[in-house]
Amino acid sequence: EAQVTQNPRYLITVTGKKLTVTCSQNMNHEYMSWYRQDPGLGLRQIYYSMNVEVTDKGDVPEGYKVSRKEKRNFPLILESPSPNQTSLYFCASSLLAGKGEQYFGPGTRLTVT
Amino acid sequence: SQQGEEDPQALSIQEGENATMNCSYKTSINNLQWYRQNSGRGLVHLILIRSNEREKHSGRLRVTLDTSKKSSSLLITASRAADTASYFCATVDAGGTSYGKLTFGQGTILTVHP
Repeated sequence: EAQVTQNPRYLITVTGKKLTVTCSQNMNHEYMSWYRQDPGLGLRQIYYSMNVEVTDKGDVPEGYKVSRKEKRNFPLILESPSPNQTSLYFCASSLLAGKGEQYFGPGTRLTVT
Repeated sequence: SQQGEEDPQALSIQEGENATMNCSYKTSINNLQWYRQNSGRGLVHLILIRSNEREKHSGRLRVTLDTSKKSSSLLITASRAADTASYFCATVDAGGTSYGKLTFGQGTILTVHP
């Protein structure tokens, strides 16, 4: 089944404790992206990747890192999480950038205390 | 930044009725997409309409695009209780500088009563 998976689905952590949210797709998509969803602010792009080893900032990259060492994986790293990073995070992928639908993962609900 | 404005913010209808949601945007676009999100869950792609298209159908869904007014509408016909969800429009800018980024509207919360 074609899908985007994220782990963990739920995470409660404390300020400053490094964490990684994994994202994997099995559709051989070149383009992958991370979004965060916040009430009143909607969905905003954090980082994106056009292909392996090619990543760039989206609209709200501060406090986040990403890597794309393999085509299928695109982890989101929070080196020193802060409470303002409490949010619902979505990973998405598409065959090519901007050309078609994006497939979204189920989301990771992160709470930073 | 959030480009789209969606109207209405919330819509409550009875099963069998039609639901219409509108979306406006600000820039020139390559395409516009509509997504559905059930409460707190992942987004599901519904339909994509390209900037050179005016209307598109998919099952009970009908999407129109008016690039001169920078607006789109999503019509769901003969709605069902299972259509209850949030609906988002999202645009991909023209010009190749957005690198595939989806710019989302704030969404319309649709409630369909049985």
